Amino acid sequence: EVQFLESGGGLVQPGGFLRLSCVTSEVTFSSFAMSWVRQAPGKGLEWVSTIRSSAGATFYSDSVKGRFTISRDNSKNTLFLQMDSLRTEDTAVYYCARSLPFHRHFDYWGQGTRLTVSS
Amino acid sequence: EVVLTQSPGTLSLSPGERATLSCRASQSVRTSYLAWYQQKPGQSPRLLMFGTSNRATGIPDRFSGSGSGTDFTLTISRLEPEDSAVYYCQQYDDSSWTFGQGTKVEIK
Repeated sequence: EVQFLESGGGLVQPGGFLRLSCVTSEVTFSSFAMSWVRQAPGKGLEWVSTIRSSAGATFYSDSVKGRFTISRDNSKNTLFLQMDSLRTEDTAVYYCARSLPFHRHFDYWGQGTRLTVSS
Repeated sequence: EVVLTQSPGTLSLSPGERATLSCRASQSVRTSYLAWYQQKPGQSPRLLMFGTSNRATGIPDRFSGSGSGTDFTLTISRLEPEDSAVYYCQQYDDSSWTFGQGTKVEIK
């Protein structure tokens, strides 16, 4: 079964930074686009960022553009999200999610990692 | 950015009843880029439908999707207790992904 495991969440002060990771045992990791989707407490889902497969083109929501950076290390089957200039409104559970080639939906999700931005 | 509006906010039905969930887009969405997810409390979202009407692996056939343009529907033909969850629609357009705000389905 396809599995993704996020890590790196925690408590950070406003203005701080943090890096999230998402690792999988999938040997075909480099073939898939990967995304981060977040969910604020008691709220719905919000797309954050996507990185294409090996070519690495990246996309960001307006709410994080210029502050967050998505990247991947295909040799380690790992996805990253570098989050800088954190704001209280970034508080959420962050999920990594996979998209098959040429598809634009998310077919497998990790269990999520929680970020709290608070002073 | 394409805004997705889901209705109703909450649906309360009995087992065996039919549930109809609506997802309306602020502009036309390609049918191949419209998906639905189910999320139960404390769990990650699970893909239900993609390409408007294609069931994901392992999804029972009581779930079906339809629609085109700006109006899309998820139908659960015969509700079962385990269908209690929040359901989200999602679309892709012009390098941007958006989700609806969700519909909560409660089983009486």
